[in-house]
Amino acid sequence: GAVVSQHPSRVICKSGTSVKIECRSLDFQATTMFWYRQFPKQSLMLMATSNEGSKATYEQGVEKDKFLINHASLTLSTLTVTSAHPEDSSFYICSARGGARGVFDYEQYFGPGTRLTVT
Amino acid sequence: EDQVTQSPEALRLQEGESSSLNCSYTVSGLRGLFWYRQDPGKGPEFLFTLYSAGEEKEKERLKATLTKKESFLHITAPKPEDSATYLCAVQAAGSARQLTFGSGTQLTVLP
Repeated sequence: GAVVSQHPSRVICKSGTSVKIECRSLDFQATTMFWYRQFPKQSLMLMATSNEGSKATYEQGVEKDKFLINHASLTLSTLTVTSAHPEDSSFYICSARGGARGVFDYEQYFGPGTRLTVT
Repeated sequence: EDQVTQSPEALRLQEGESSSLNCSYTVSGLRGLFWYRQDPGKGPEFLFTLYSAGEEKEKERLKATLTKKESFLHITAPKPEDSATYLCAVQAAGSARQLTFGSGTQLTVLP
């Protein structure tokens, strides 16, 4: 199966600072990447969808100026949490899907997640 | 609005005790139904994609089936290492093609 990596796996930052999370598809080209947020014992909440080379589409209630998403290449997307606050502490998971017809067209693969703690 | 309901919320089984997890869905045109396994503190691990009613897929002790209204994940003779949260998601036909997730079933297999 396809492999998606995320870095860092854990990050602790101070309130008011910014933190960047990287998501890479290692063995396929991801035309679409997704960013999710997950609270303890809850399911995944989609934050935004990004297509390579275009602006991300944010879900209702997600602040686009706070959660900056860049999908600069077919294998890399970044999520920057700007001016982080303690309420931004969560588990952030990226996901990637290929665009060509074939095994990766509809299947969506997830990264291992990033645990963000804002103090 | 697409909806996915998983049951039960939690399931405890003895090792070797087979059972099934349910995923009921309503979607405007199903493109695919996905099963994932998620361990604590990790991202979901892809298990299966089912595309049409009547389709079945197997992987080791797991077997996924699909009807027009629901999907089942059958676990045969589970082992403690099968303990995890199992997530079901649907992808509707349409330009966004986003996944709609259920809340998951937390499975615990006791030795």
